[in-house]
This record gives sequence, structure tokens and C-alpha cells, in this order.
Amino acid sequence: DVKVTQSSRYLVKRTGEKVFLECVQDMDHENMFWYRQDPGLGLRLIYFSYDVKMKEKGDIPEGYSVSREKKERFSLILESASTNQTSMYLCASSLGTGETQYFGPGTRLLVL
Amino acid sequence: AQSVTQPDIHITVSEGASLELRCNYSYGATPYLFWYVQSPGQGLQLLLKYFSGDTLVQGIKGFEAEFKRSQSSFNLRKPSVHWSDAAEYFCAVGSDTGGFKTIFGAGTRLFVKA
Repeated sequence: DVKVTQSSRYLVKRTGEKVFLECVQDMDHENMFWYRQDPGLGLRLIYFSYDVKMKEKGDIPEGYSVSREKKERFSLILESASTNQTSMYLCASSLGTGETQYFGPGTRLLVL
Repeated sequence: AQSVTQPDIHITVSEGASLELRCNYSYGATPYLFWYVQSPGQGLQLLLKYFSGDTLVQGIKGFEAEFKRSQSSFNLRKPSVHWSDAAEYFCAVGSDTGGFKTIFGAGTRLFVKA
């Protein structure tokens, strides 16, 4: 059974803190994605990676960075968390960039 | 530009009634089309997908969807809704064109009343 796991289900951080969200997939997928989900806005792509050490900006990359040192792991970094980054963060992986995506359970981040 | 539109933000149906969730897309070539479901507090799960061939596709949990190229639509249907179907549903469009990123609609939240 395919699996995408995210390091935390819930996270509370303070403004200005550096935040790391981790995502691991066990399907040997080339592509991995980070989305944020806000009510009424659907899923918005933050960054994606199509290979180890490769990354591309999505639609809303500002305030975020990513790291992919190993094929199975894709990290999202908030360099200095702000209250407007309070959101649900979803990680996904896929074989091809336009193909079926497999999602983790999400991390609900609250920035105070 | 490519886009996906789900015209209904939320829909309420009675348990046992039929369901249709609408999805329209804009894409220059034949797309890959998906429906995902998200239960409260969970990630998204694939319900069904269309890549090619038969335009009526069957998915999990008794759902089906029909690709209509002339209408640029991919509506999701279920003949009889169960209370456990209450969730948010996302339509998405993808492609095998190199570098194309899947685009998701804004979602339709389904409420089921007893």
C-alpha cells in the first residue's frame, strides 16, 4: 500500500520561528509537491521537486523554501513564520508531474 | 491558461438521493482528469481518474464520472449517497506533457442530511 507520511499532524509556532515540515514517500516517486490549503481557495502549489536536489517554484513560493536531499524525503521550510502562514499543508508525490498524486494526511500549522 | 472550475462551493443532499458534482476545465489538449475526496482533517484520496479510452469511468465507493470533451466537463456522480460520503471533493486536471503541473479546483463540500 502506498504511503506518504508527514512529520506532524498539528504544529503551533510563534511568529519569527523557523519551521520545518517533513514529508516521506515510500513509492520511489520522482515528483514531490507541497501545497497549502485554505478555505475557499482549494490547493495552491508552493513548490515541487522532480528529482533529488531539483526544485521549482509553484504558485505561491514567497516565504517558503524546500529541500530534497534524498528521493523519498521533501522538506518545506518557513524561514521566519508569520501569522498569514497559518494553514493546512499537504505533501504529495507522483510518478509524473501530471499524473495521479498520493497525499499525506496534512499538517495543520498555527502561527501565533 | 489552464484552469479548473467547480461551480458549487457546497451542496446538500439527502441520504439515498443521487449526487452530481460539476467540474469544468480549460486545457488545450486532452487532459488527464481526476476526482479526489478529502474527509475532515485528512489528506486527499483519489476517487477516480480518466486518462484515455472509455469516457465513463468508475471509481471507488460507487462513484463514477463522465468525460465530455464537447462541454469540457468531468462531472462526478453517485446514484445513492451515504452519510459517510460527506466530505470535500476536488476535481483536477493533469497532463503527460513534460513539466505540466496538476491544477486543482477550489473544491465542493458535500453535506448529507438524514
